[in-house]
Amino acid sequence: GNSVTQMEGPVTLSEEAFLTINCTYTATGYPSLFWYVQYPGEGLQLLLKATKADDKGSNKGFEATYRKETTSFHLEKGSVQVSDSAVYFCALTQGGSEKLVFGKGTKLTVNP
Amino acid sequence: KAGVTQTPRYLIKTRGQQVTLSCSPISGHRSVSWYQQTPGQGLQFLFEYFSETQRNKGNFPGRFSGRQFSNSRSEMNVSTLELGDSALYLCASSLTNSGSYGYTFGSGTRLTVV
Repeated sequence: GNSVTQMEGPVTLSEEAFLTINCTYTATGYPSLFWYVQYPGEGLQLLLKATKADDKGSNKGFEATYRKETTSFHLEKGSVQVSDSAVYFCALTQGGSEKLVFGKGTKLTVNP
Repeated sequence: KAGVTQTPRYLIKTRGQQVTLSCSPISGHRSVSWYQQTPGQGLQFLFEYFSETQRNKGNFPGRFSGRQFSNSRSEMNVSTLELGDSALYLCASSLTNSGSYGYTFGSGTRLTVV
């Protein structure tokens, strides 16, 4: 079945540091890929998405590129802020199903 | 534009009881999905509804059920509650029945079973 693997957390960075959170997936065909963010006490917010190979999703300074050859969708940000502290989830959907398959999540803490 | 509304936000129930959670999707969204979030298992898919029809169901026991009404509002019910049902239950809505569109999540209902 489909699955998503994220790097284990937690990740702790200083403000203005570069962020990478690795995400790889297992799926047949061409899934759609997503990054969601969850702030403390809240639900999930869609951060960015990509629906086909080589697409780059971007939002709020975050970027991720759909790499079919490496089955990856790594999240990057050039300069993190304290307000980026949250849990980040990589996810996929496939085959017309609306079912999201999530990774375990990566907790990011950014210190001033 | 109102977001996805879940009620109640917090709930405490006793083992053996049943519970009903409610979700109002974004106006115009016809697809509603439910997820369970726990520290141990992470985010797990429960059900998906589109135009009042259940299109997909996750690997949960029959104690977990749901439905969708003609106005797209959805409810999920858990009967004979167990301690392990304690979790954050998240509802998500989407405009289309295509998985590539993306979902808007509510803030969730935190269920505690004692």
